[in-house]
This record gives sequence, structure tokens and C-alpha cells, in this order.
Amino acid sequence: DTAVSQTPKYLVTQMGNDKSIKCEQNLGHDTMYWYKQDSKKFLKIMFSYNNKELIINETVPNRFSPKSPDKAHLNLHINSLELGDSAVYFCASSPKSTGTGNSPLHFGNGTRLTVT
Amino acid sequence: DAKTTQPNSMESNEEEPVHLPCNHSTISGTDYIHWYRQLPSQGPEYVIHGLTSNVNNRMASLAIAEDRKSSTLILHRATLRDAAVYYCILTNTGTASKLTFGTGTRLQVTL
Repeated sequence: DTAVSQTPKYLVTQMGNDKSIKCEQNLGHDTMYWYKQDSKKFLKIMFSYNNKELIINETVPNRFSPKSPDKAHLNLHINSLELGDSAVYFCASSPKSTGTGNSPLHFGNGTRLTVT
Repeated sequence: DAKTTQPNSMESNEEEPVHLPCNHSTISGTDYIHWYRQLPSQGPEYVIHGLTSNVNNRMASLAIAEDRKSSTLILHRATLRDAAVYYCILTNTGTASKLTFGTGTRLQVTL
């Protein structure tokens, strides 16, 4: 069974559209994350949710809105898509709410978003 | 966040041990040392982590210098499937702690 699953795997859309990426984890973890990997392969954290509560919000445009309906799901909604949003988006989870120090992250396999 | 320094790339022959170095001279007493790897077209994968003592698991070993200013990830027998980008990351406890990825070391494994 897949531990952290993201859908869709690929997403191609036009500028200006609104799209969502879904993430689910079946590990019983408390904390979930969204990371963005750009064309230069830099991985940057975007958001972190602990038990449905927003914990980390890096300087991400407010066109990006995470939604956590329950602690097993963290979806990413993006409004008014721009060319620069093209990237691979990774969802991750970790077991404890005490942070990443002693808690390994489990990543999904990513959603490749292409904005044309 | 304390920074880490890794070589951009390394090469290894299959079946040989690989030692991937990481310098973290500004590490604080509460920072854990984590290693992740990313295979092509996949998400990052946890490899190992430690605080002060050396650690072993089924994937690798982590050797931590006594002053904790450097560490080495050891793959005991490299296989072609170990070809990936390996990231050495410092992080600590606290609800708002996070993994900050650098550029990592690209490991090439050849026959």
C-alpha cells in the first residue's frame, strides 16, 4: 500500500486556471507538508500542517492555499496559475508533532505541474 | 538553519563501499543530522539520521565526528539502484522545524 499518495501525477494546464493537487497519507502521521522542486531541482518547503493546523507558511504567494480536511489529507489549491508555478510538488508526512528532528519524513512521488 | 556542505558529485563502482561526506561546522547541540536521497523521478527517500552516536540501519551507516562538525554516510556495497542525489540536512525538534534541502551530492554508480 502506498504510504503517501498524490493525485494527479501529471497536471498540464493553462495560465490563469485554478487547479488542485490532492495528498493522502495512511501512516497515521500528525504532520503533513508541501514541498516544491523547481527546474533547477531545488526542493523548498511551502507549508506544514500539524493535525489540521497550519504551522509553517514559507513566503508562498497567497494564490496557493493548502486545505487539510483531516490529518490524513493535505490538499493544495492554486489559483490563477502562472508559468513560474511549473514545478514538481511533493507532499510529505512525519509521525510526530514535535518537529522533524527525530522524525523522518515520508514523501510522495510528486505531481509534475506544467503551466502553458 | 545551520548549513551543510557536500561535494557536488561522486562516482563509485558497483559492489564497492561509498563514503559520502558532509560538513556542518555551525551545527548546534540540538541539531539532528539527516540523510535523504532522491532517485530519478521519485520523491526524496529517508535514509538515516542521528544526533551524536554512529547509526546503522538496513540501508546505510552514519558516522558522526566526535565534534559533530562533519558526518559521513556509508553505503556498504553500492548498487546501480543507489545512483541518486544524496542530501545531508540538519534539523531540530520543535513544531515549526523543517527540512531545508541543499544541492546534495549526485552519486553515480558504474559497473
